[in-house]
Amino acid sequence: AQSVTQLGSHVSVSEGALVLLRCNYSSSVPPYLFWYVQYPNQGLQLLLKYTTGATLVKGINGFEAEFKKSETSFHLTKPSAHMSDAAEYFCAVNTGGFKTIFGAGTRLFVKA
Amino acid sequence: NAGVTQTPKFQVLKTGQSMTLQCAQDMNHNSMYWYRQDPGMGLRLIYYSASEGTTDKGEVPNGYNVSRLNKREFSLRLESAAPSQTSVYFCASSGTGQPFQETQYFGPGTRLLVL
Repeated sequence: AQSVTQLGSHVSVSEGALVLLRCNYSSSVPPYLFWYVQYPNQGLQLLLKYTTGATLVKGINGFEAEFKKSETSFHLTKPSAHMSDAAEYFCAVNTGGFKTIFGAGTRLFVKA
Repeated sequence: NAGVTQTPKFQVLKTGQSMTLQCAQDMNHNSMYWYRQDPGMGLRLIYYSASEGTTDKGEVPNGYNVSRLNKREFSLRLESAAPSQTSVYFCASSGTGQPFQETQYFGPGTRLLVL
């Protein structure tokens, strides 16, 4: 069965610092991987996704993630945090079909 | 183009009451989903509809029923609400024909409190 683990329910960074949100997955078949962001009182919206091809995926707002099969990881990074990046971030995996499994989420705080 | 809309935005129910959460999308998507979001647990799939006329159970279907009224609309019904159903409910849709790699588009959510 597929699963997703997000390390750290809360991450705090200073404005301008590197953002690193960790995601590990478990899957017996090649996964499709997603990062979604949720701003307060809103629905989720897609940041980026890995389906096939290049393992470094670039998304919106300067975020990127790298699929590392050997480490079963799909960590999300951004070189320089902005106050507007404060939100909750969800990693998700799908191995085929209609059931996408979401991680528990990581809330990102950005300090001025 | 409103995307995915949900009504109501907020609802308070007493234990045992029933209600229907409404969802509509205007993106001509084939597939629609209902999730619940609870603190520390991410999103869990309740039911989904792969296409008009079909519905299937997700991870946590107990206590819920759904109806895919037409291609645009997908409703979620609580027949006898319980405090454990206090949650935020999200509807989503996707639609290019390859659900496993499709982006899901989410509505703004319905906050439900069951007393």
